[in-house]
Amino acid sequence: NAGVMQNPRHLVRRRGQEARLRCSPMKGHSHVYWYRQLPEEGLKFMVYLQKENIIDESGMPKERFSAEFPKEGPSILRIQQVVRGDSAAYFCASSDPGQGNEQYFGPGTRLTVT
Amino acid sequence: QKEVEQNSGPLSVPEGAIASLNCTYSDRGSQSFFWYRQYSGKSPELIMSIYSNGDKEDGRFTAQLNKASQYVSLLIRDSQPSDSATYLCAVSPWESNYQLIWGAGTKLIIKP
Repeated sequence: NAGVMQNPRHLVRRRGQEARLRCSPMKGHSHVYWYRQLPEEGLKFMVYLQKENIIDESGMPKERFSAEFPKEGPSILRIQQVVRGDSAAYFCASSDPGQGNEQYFGPGTRLTVT
Repeated sequence: QKEVEQNSGPLSVPEGAIASLNCTYSDRGSQSFFWYRQYSGKSPELIMSIYSNGDKEDGRFTAQLNKASQYVSLLIRDSQPSDSATYLCAVSPWESNYQLIWGAGTKLIIKP
């Protein structure tokens, strides 16, 4: 019974490069959430997606960040032209709409921008 | 602006004692309440969910909800050093079937 999977676990990018973070939700879950967490800070909601739909992207920066959850395959969080301030842990969570708002988290991707 | 408030701590508790973690929320209509545990450098892990007033027990953990006072707490009995972590409170507002409002977390330290 695989949980939420994220890859890569660690990602190093130089300023100006692109970062692609992947998330496969728990089996049977159709809702995906992306969060960002800076060191010693709380979780910040970024975006909520269902298959092929972005439902709420109110926490996403307007520029350089995008997310998708295609019909087939994992959800992708894409950061273009990364800057040092993008260095953080990015967590994906998934939920089953039949189980209320219980969200289950993946191990996270730690992005370091040099 | 919906808010969830937690004391940041650190809260230091001797091993074997009861650790009491508290959380208040501003949205009176909130329906669902969750406690997550996050070890340093790891992802949040759901440990308790509670939906109705009163107590809910699961092993050494008890969640307590008081909607009239807009207060939810987590008690950890027989605290162990392995319970040392940051505990995050999350609340689902009444009008949303997906959104969670997160507290900043309370850092708990269990001293042997």
